[in-house]
Amino acid sequence: KQEVTQIPAALSVPEGENLVLNCSFTDSAIYNLQWFRQDPGKGLTSLLLIQSSQREQTSGRLNASLDKSSGRSTLYIAASQPGDSATYLCAVTQSTGGGADGLTFGKGTHLIIQP
Amino acid sequence: DTEVTQTPKHLVMGMTNKKSLKCEQHMGHRAMYWYKQKAKKPPELMFVYSYEKLSINESVPSRFSPECPNSSLLNLHLHALQPEDSALYLCASSLTGGPFSSPLHFGNGTRLTVT
Repeated sequence: KQEVTQIPAALSVPEGENLVLNCSFTDSAIYNLQWFRQDPGKGLTSLLLIQSSQREQTSGRLNASLDKSSGRSTLYIAASQPGDSATYLCAVTQSTGGGADGLTFGKGTHLIIQP
Repeated sequence: DTEVTQTPKHLVMGMTNKKSLKCEQHMGHRAMYWYKQKAKKPPELMFVYSYEKLSINESVPSRFSPECPNSSLLNLHLHALQPEDSALYLCASSLTGGPFSSPLHFGNGTRLTVT
């Protein structure tokens, strides 16, 4: 069974710092990996999706990398801002032979950016 | 604002009640999902519909009954729930599923309390 682990569980840094969130998964047979952010009491917002054939994706100050063979992904946030404070979730879609497949989530990294 | 709309936002129900959660999207997505999220935990997959057919049921108790009347709508019918079923219920959709999965778009969820 796929297991997704995120490190650290919580992180607090001053505004302006660059930071890295880590995600690892046990089964490398994935279709893709997705990073989300979740604000308290809200749904999830998709940040980046990396297909299994890709190595990285970028959107603004965010950069996500994928090393499928080693079962690892990182989310790099440049020049952090207080508005980046949220829980960041990593999720993978398993290769189960077609059709729509659900995501397996990590437990998330709770990020606080201090003004 | 999310493009996936869930109603109601909050629901309180007794253990003998019957209620329904509703989810709607007009993005032309053909895969729709129900997730359950307990406090400080990641979302857990419940059901997946692909082209209006149930493709995944993650061993969810029969007191939860999904329905997909058409490609834009997804319902979750609730009956005889237990207090431990209290959680945030999230609906999501994606253009397709499987090998070339597109990003999942989540609604803001329904906060369910069972008394």
